Amino acid sequence: QLQLQESGPGLVRPSETLSLTCSVSGGSISTSSYYWGWIRQSPGKGLEWIGSIFYGEDTYYNPSLKGRVTISVDTSKNQFSLILSSVTAADTAMYFCARPRGSGSGFFDPWGQGTLVVVSS
Amino acid sequence: DLQMTQSPSTLSASVGDRVTITCRTSQSISTWLAWYQQKPGKAPKVLIFDASKLESGVPSRFSGSGSGTEFTLTISSLQPDDFATYFCQQYNSYWTFGPGTKVEIK
Repeated sequence: QLQLQESGPGLVRPSETLSLTCSVSGGSISTSSYYWGWIRQSPGKGLEWIGSIFYGEDTYYNPSLKGRVTISVDTSKNQFSLILSSVTAADTAMYFCARPRGSGSGFFDPWGQGTLVVVSS
Repeated sequence: DLQMTQSPSTLSASVGDRVTITCRTSQSISTWLAWYQQKPGKAPKVLIFDASKLESGVPSRFSGSGSGTEFTLTISSLQPDDFATYFCQQYNSYWTFGPGTKVEIK
């Protein structure tokens, strides 16, 4: 059964770079043609798709974050990563990694448990 | 940009009630829509995909319908475990989530 687990620092200073990793177990990140994605949820707020990477090649980012986001895959570690630059307090959120499945672009399942990132000095 | 709305934003109901949540999109997405349930501190859990298909293991009291720009999630008889927040999500063009509906105890 595929499982995802986020990791990374829980505190980031304003204007610095947020860096998170999603470790994949129960399956290989490179043997199937799948998207891998990042979603975030600000405290008490809704869900926001950040971006996705397709099979380690094409990347797709939410236009509201474009220019600050980079998603990449490390097949040797069976992981994919999120980098968000020039963070502000508005980037404080629970960050989830997830894999879409099904037809179309796919609905997200499974999800990681999420990791809370606070942007504060 | 595709926009999504949900109504109501909060719903107060009692155990046994029939509950309906509506999701609307600003442009047609065919049936590329999923519904999720989220409880505090947890990741969302998919209930319905492709607008009306019940995810394996999800109780049959949950159902979805709709196509194009208007969709509904119905809980036929609300159970204590169903008090949570529900989100719709389109996957016709990238991914967008609705703002959520909190189902609380009346």
